[in-house]
Amino acid sequence: NAGVTQTPKFQVLKTGQSMTLQCAQDMNHEYMSWYRQDPGMGLRLIHYSVGAGITDQGEVPNGYNVSRSTTEDFPLRLLSAAPSQTSVYFCASSYLARGVEQYFGPGTRLTVT
Amino acid sequence: GENVEQHPSTLSVQEGDSAVIKCTYSDSASNYFPWYKQELGKRPQLIIDIRSNVGEKKDQRIAVTLNKTAKHFSLHITETQPEDSAVYFCAAPNSGGGADGLTFGKGTHLIIQP
Repeated sequence: NAGVTQTPKFQVLKTGQSMTLQCAQDMNHEYMSWYRQDPGMGLRLIHYSVGAGITDQGEVPNGYNVSRSTTEDFPLRLLSAAPSQTSVYFCASSYLARGVEQYFGPGTRLTVT
Repeated sequence: GENVEQHPSTLSVQEGDSAVIKCTYSDSASNYFPWYKQELGKRPQLIIDIRSNVGEKKDQRIAVTLNKTAKHFSLHITETQPEDSAVYFCAAPNSGGGADGLTFGKGTHLIIQP
């Protein structure tokens, strides 16, 4: 199993550009989520999904969209990139929505200039 | 929502000594408390977790204790080794059942001095 994969590993955007961060898992996990990690801030939840077709907002959803058309994939879209979105983004998945280990992807380091 | 406070932000200990990291949470209904370790440039990885029906859990040199009355839980690492150097995060469910993901503490940078 590849586990949780993310692409790209690094990305530089100009302010106002849009892009999609890809996340995929091959563990048949129902629950998937996106976190951003900033220095001294820990990990903060952006959006999550409890299954295909179901998504919801986390703590810091503004400026981001998600969709879940399949169990395997959970892309994160930046609509109009801003310097405040410079961060490391982690996708995570688990077989239940609660009380179990979250498996994290390797992360995407995004810089917005 | 849940609020998780983690202390200290940096902890430096001599190799072989013990390290303790503490977290408090706000939602008394929270029932699952994981600890993640993140090495530089890597992804967070679960090292130990505890559920609210137990007060302590051990796994070799690592242990976690939970005090539900005081709403705090702690990570204990004994006989520290250089490979223990990393950032450690505690977490608690955003809701009582965790359906809304996890709220993480801000992390503790553990430095093991040779």
